Amino acid sequence: GESVGLHLPTLSVQEGDNSIINCAYSNSASDYFIWYKQESGKGPQFIIDIRSNMDKRQGQRVTVLLNKTVKHLSLQIAATQPGDSAVYFCAEMAGGGADGLTFGKGTHLIIQP
Amino acid sequence: DTGVSQNPRHKITKRGQNVTFRCDPISEHNRLYWYRQTLGQGPEFLTYFQNEAQLEKSRLLSDRFSAERPKGSFSTLEIQRTEQGDSAMYLCASSGTYPGLAGAEQFFGPGTRLTVL
Repeated sequence: GESVGLHLPTLSVQEGDNSIINCAYSNSASDYFIWYKQESGKGPQFIIDIRSNMDKRQGQRVTVLLNKTVKHLSLQIAATQPGDSAVYFCAEMAGGGADGLTFGKGTHLIIQP
Repeated sequence: DTGVSQNPRHKITKRGQNVTFRCDPISEHNRLYWYRQTLGQGPEFLTYFQNEAQLEKSRLLSDRFSAERPKGSFSTLEIQRTEQGDSAMYLCASSGTYPGLAGAEQFFGPGTRLTVL
């Protein structure tokens, strides 16, 4: 079946460095994408979203890039901080949202001091 | 606190028992979703409500699972005759408008962790 996946299960970066988390999706009908952050024992926390008619969107210290040609999504986090340590999921949705979000398996971001 | 709330946070039950979880969405949100998350995996969609109408159910939602949202506000998820494979985190999310529009992002609650012995 079609699903969203992430390239790396774990990513380790130095505090203060920039990090890039990648995601590949396979459903060409997906028109809405979200990045979530999940800390241990908590529900996913919304970070940033992007629609399929956009290729870049920026938030506070985060940027999401969408490449529909190769079905690739990435999350860039600038100047990583210890509080950025978490599991990051990309998720996609097609149509009106009745089928909910389809999540990948997640990338565990580890910030080293 | 104006976020999504879920109760209980933890539930331990014996196989074969029935359990019920409650979700209170953000008050002005008309869309409500239930997901299940097992260790090391991303959440998996179970079902979706728009106001009080249950509009979609995943194949994951067996006939032992039932969800309601009687007044279009809070929702309950019941699992009958629980099995060990039902052990997971059950997450609820709500959103306000059509996906892709500003304000349409899904906000998740803290989840209910179910352990079936």
